[in-house]
Amino acid sequence: TAGITQAPTSQILAAGRSMTLRCTQDMRHNAMYWYRQDLGLGLRLIHYSNTAGTTGKGEVPDGYSVSRANTDDFPLTLASAVPSQTSVYFCASSDSSGETDTQYFGPGTRLTVL
Amino acid sequence: GQNIDQPTEMTATEGAIVQINCTYQTSGFNGLFWYQQHAGEAPTFLSYNVLDGLEEKGRFSSFLSRSKGYSYLLLKELQMKDSASYLCAVTDSNYQLIWGAGTKLIIKP
Repeated sequence: TAGITQAPTSQILAAGRSMTLRCTQDMRHNAMYWYRQDLGLGLRLIHYSNTAGTTGKGEVPDGYSVSRANTDDFPLTLASAVPSQTSVYFCASSDSSGETDTQYFGPGTRLTVL
Repeated sequence: GQNIDQPTEMTATEGAIVQINCTYQTSGFNGLFWYQQHAGEAPTFLSYNVLDGLEEKGRFSSFLSRSKGYSYLLLKELQMKDSASYLCAVTDSNYQLIWGAGTKLIIKP
């Protein structure tokens, strides 16, 4: 099984450009998440979705938007990239109806904004 | 505010035992996770504690004391492949996962 896939693996983006990071899961998990991970900092939640059709803001949502049109896909869009958005982005999913709500992560997208 | 503290880096010897500590101050508590993250890879789930006590899973064990806001991850019979970062995360009262910055574990032969 694929689990969670992310695309692209890495990207260099000019400041001011827009970009969508893709995330797809095949585990039929109801909840999905987007994190960024920067050196020396813990994973920081950008946006989340508890179920298809709903989204919520995390700790660092500014400059990012998400949509959840169906269960499997949860794209993250940067409307106008800035250098401070240089980071590694992880998508995760969980079965929030389960006992532990364990999150499972995709392989990540390494984004550099110049 | 909410805070998860764990050491930045630890070094241990192959075959030995190492304990990685995590203390937390969060608004509520609904469980504590440990994840392993190899360099350049995604975090992977190791363990989950919601009740006080020790959970053992092969070479890895995780302990929780809710009254002390404290957990540790114990790794036995260390192998070179255990070189990784170990992330502690707590689910708060809103069921949001709060992450520590991670402990980088270096294993020396």
